[in-house]
Amino acid sequence: GQSLEQPSEVTAVEGAIVQINCTYQTSGFYGLSWYQQHDGGAPTFLSYNALDGLEETGRFSSFLSRSDSYGYLLLQELQMKDSASYFCAVDPLYGQNFVFGPGTRLSVLP
Amino acid sequence: GAGVSQTPSNKVTEKGKYVELRCDPISGHTALYWYRQSLGQGPEFLIYFQGTGAADDSGLPNDRFFAVRPEGSVSTLKIQRTERGDSAVYLCASSSAGGGTGANVLTFGAGSRLTVL
Repeated sequence: GQSLEQPSEVTAVEGAIVQINCTYQTSGFYGLSWYQQHDGGAPTFLSYNALDGLEETGRFSSFLSRSDSYGYLLLQELQMKDSASYFCAVDPLYGQNFVFGPGTRLSVLP
Repeated sequence: GAGVSQTPSNKVTEKGKYVELRCDPISGHTALYWYRQSLGQGPEFLIYFQGTGAADDSGLPNDRFFAVRPEGSVSTLKIQRTERGDSAVYLCASSSAGGGTGANVLTFGAGSRLTVL
């Protein structure tokens, strides 16, 4: 099976950099994804790592280390609108479902 | 359509009643997923369709839950004899790829909030 762990809450100030970690146990997966969800909204895709290393998309970067069963989402130049919940997710090799972590609630303070 | 559409956006029902939740995926997306999300939790997988068939229904909690996708487009999640514990937001997502193919990007609908009194 698969299980993912994330910190429940992170707080940072505008303009800062924040890292949201994700550790996982899985029998194999194609890649690690990150989704953002604002209160009352739908989860939206942010980033995907199929290979180890860093993927950069604007202010957001995501990192994966398969040997350490670990990944993170890095948000730079934080803005108030980045206040949301962030979920890591895996697409398992064995099985058709897509498994999400419990989510990290990010609060950006002025 | 341009996005994933879910109806109703809100549904309040009484314990024991039957409910149907509808999902209209992005046109041409063959993969369709249903998830359930409780407050403060991550989306919990329910069922995955590839075309018309349920490729993985391992997340359905019990036999009160059933989902169909008869023409490979619109899907309906059906819940019989609702219980208070069924209260949650039910999310639908679609993808042009499918589970087990890698690089799978899900586009979610806004969800249907179900409240069972």
